[in-house]
Amino acid sequence: GNSVTQMEGPVTLSEEAFLTINCTYTATGYPSLFWYVQYPGEGLQLLLKATKADDKGSNKGFEATYRKETTSFHLEKGSVQVSDSAVYFCALSPSGSARQLTFGSGTQLTVLP
Amino acid sequence: SQTIHQWPATLVQPVGSPLSLECTVEGTSNPNLYWYRQAAGRGLQLLFYSVGIGQISSEVPQNLSASRPQDRQFILSSKKLLLSDSGFYLCAWSVPGESTYGQYFGPGTRLTVT
Repeated sequence: GNSVTQMEGPVTLSEEAFLTINCTYTATGYPSLFWYVQYPGEGLQLLLKATKADDKGSNKGFEATYRKETTSFHLEKGSVQVSDSAVYFCALSPSGSARQLTFGSGTQLTVLP
Repeated sequence: SQTIHQWPATLVQPVGSPLSLECTVEGTSNPNLYWYRQAAGRGLQLLFYSVGIGQISSEVPQNLSASRPQDRQFILSSKKLLLSDSGFYLCAWSVPGESTYGQYFGPGTRLTVT
């Protein structure tokens, strides 16, 4: 079946540090890949997505590249801010199906001033 | 544009009491609808999804149920709450037949069972 594995948190960084949150997946075919962000007490927001191999999704300074050869979709940001403190979820949607997303377990990021 | 609403935002209920959480979507037709639960410090657990009025699929056996009385309304219910039902409940919608768009989430309901 489909699965998503995220690096375990929590992750604590200083402001302006470089961020990487690893995400690898298992799926047949060509799934679509997503990163969601959840700020404290809120629902999940779609941060970025990539729908085919070598696509790069980007938003708010965050980037992730769909790597089919390594089945990965790592989230990166060059310089984090305190306001980036949140939980980040990697997810996949199987090709040809919009019914369900498979989520990773989430990674808590805390950015210190 | 599409928006998704959930209410109430917070709820404190005693064990054994009934539950009704409501979710509505605006600005789209015939969406796929989902209920998730997020326990404290944990990931997301898919509870139910629906592809149309009256069509509900259950992912996890439990004392919760879901109904879709209207195209853009999704209700989560329980006849008797358990302590283990406490958590953050999220409703989401997606475009039917389109796997590249992802799902869009509501603001959530924080349920505390005492």
